Amino acid sequence: EAGVAQSPRYKIIEKRQSVAFWCNPISGHATLYWYQQILGQGPKLLIQFQNNGVVDDSQLPKDRFSAERLKGVDSTLKIQPAKLEDSAVYLCASSLHDRGGGNTIYFGEGSWLTVV
Amino acid sequence: GNSVTQMEGPVTLSEEAFLTINCTYTATGYPSLFWYVQYPGEGLQLLLKATKADDKGSNKGFEATYRKETTSFHLEKGSVQVSDSAVYFCALSGSGGYNKLIFGAGTRLAVHP
Repeated sequence: EAGVAQSPRYKIIEKRQSVAFWCNPISGHATLYWYQQILGQGPKLLIQFQNNGVVDDSQLPKDRFSAERLKGVDSTLKIQPAKLEDSAVYLCASSLHDRGGGNTIYFGEGSWLTVV
Repeated sequence: GNSVTQMEGPVTLSEEAFLTINCTYTATGYPSLFWYVQYPGEGLQLLLKATKADDKGSNKGFEATYRKETTSFHLEKGSVQVSDSAVYFCALSGSGGYNKLIFGAGTRLAVHP
């Protein structure tokens, strides 16, 4: 079974530029997550989709970050304009079910962003 | 709100030593608990999980027991190997509403021959 696919793996941009990350979840997984992992910290949830609807975006900096999941499959996370503090690994993840605990969440390898 | 606290690293051990990484949590209801591992340059991989009190999760020689009375989920391994060197994250998922993971800060483990 193919895992969660992300691209690009690495990106270096200047501050105030824009960047977009793409994610393809595991086939059949209804729930998709974007996490931000700053060096030395645990991942922090940015946004969670259930099919193509947003169920949690409370920690998404909406003035500069946006995400969409058209057709309930692939997703794109965009940052515009980028700030130095956005340098992090952006992890996409997916899971089969939505409600309740105990469901395994599978992660991609991440997209490493450096803002200079 | 829900939160996870892990012991600070790095933890440095010799090969075949005993490993304990402490993890405690704060949560309402009955969360599920997880340990994820992140090898250098790679994404997060589920190591083990437990979904109710007194459950023991185990995988690859690692174990953790869900202790509701002490709100803990400590990770243990009897004999570590160099290949276990990685960052370990404790996480919880709430019992109600939509499933999402809340992570601790991570503990880096370095195992030397």
